[in-house]
Amino acid sequence: DAGVIQSPRHEVTEMGQEVTLRCKPISGHDYLFWYRQTMMRGLELLIYFNNNVPIDDSGMPEDRFSAKMPNASFSTLKIQPSEPRDSAVYFCASRFRTGLAFFGQGTRLTVV
Amino acid sequence: AQSVTQPDIHITVSEGASLELRCNYSYGATPYLFWYVQSPGQGLQLLLKYFSGDTLVQGIKGFEAEFKRSQSSFNLRKPSVHWSDAAEYFCAVGGGGSNYKLTFGKGTLLTVNP
Repeated sequence: DAGVIQSPRHEVTEMGQEVTLRCKPISGHDYLFWYRQTMMRGLELLIYFNNNVPIDDSGMPEDRFSAKMPNASFSTLKIQPSEPRDSAVYFCASRFRTGLAFFGQGTRLTVV
Repeated sequence: AQSVTQPDIHITVSEGASLELRCNYSYGATPYLFWYVQSPGQGLQLLLKYFSGDTLVQGIKGFEAEFKRSQSSFNLRKPSVHWSDAAEYFCAVGGGGSNYKLTFGKGTLLTVNP
């Protein structure tokens, strides 16, 4: 398996634009997590899914953020409209039941 | 609420020297504990984990960590550091079962001098 795949690896966008980050979890994994990493706040859990269903979205910072998991092999994190303070590295991770979580390479988002 | 504290933001050691990175956690039940490493521009790679059993756990790349319940600590150690170990290290805590979530510390940046 190729591991958790995130795209794009880098995204630069203008303030106010919509941004969509994508994640393909490891096949067979039933949990998917979205994290955000910044210098100030470190790694923060934004939302996680179990069997494609959102379980806890208490970490989503604002209504501008939304996440979906239409099927077991794909998830998106959308920011609309984007703001400069959203600039961060966004990580997706997946795991099978109580097993280990594996992380993707991350998407570095810059909002100018 | 679960939390992790890594007291050292940045540590510098000489190549060949021993290393200890500190981690203290807060968790209301028996924790699952992890150490991850992140190289520049890369994702997080799992070094080792503690779920139960022997409190001294061995990981990859010659790292080990010891779980001390009385001190709520899970410090990472390596007897002899290599230049390739320079990276940022994150300690994380999570529970078991269906409510498993990872909470990370702020990380410790390791610099290795030749």
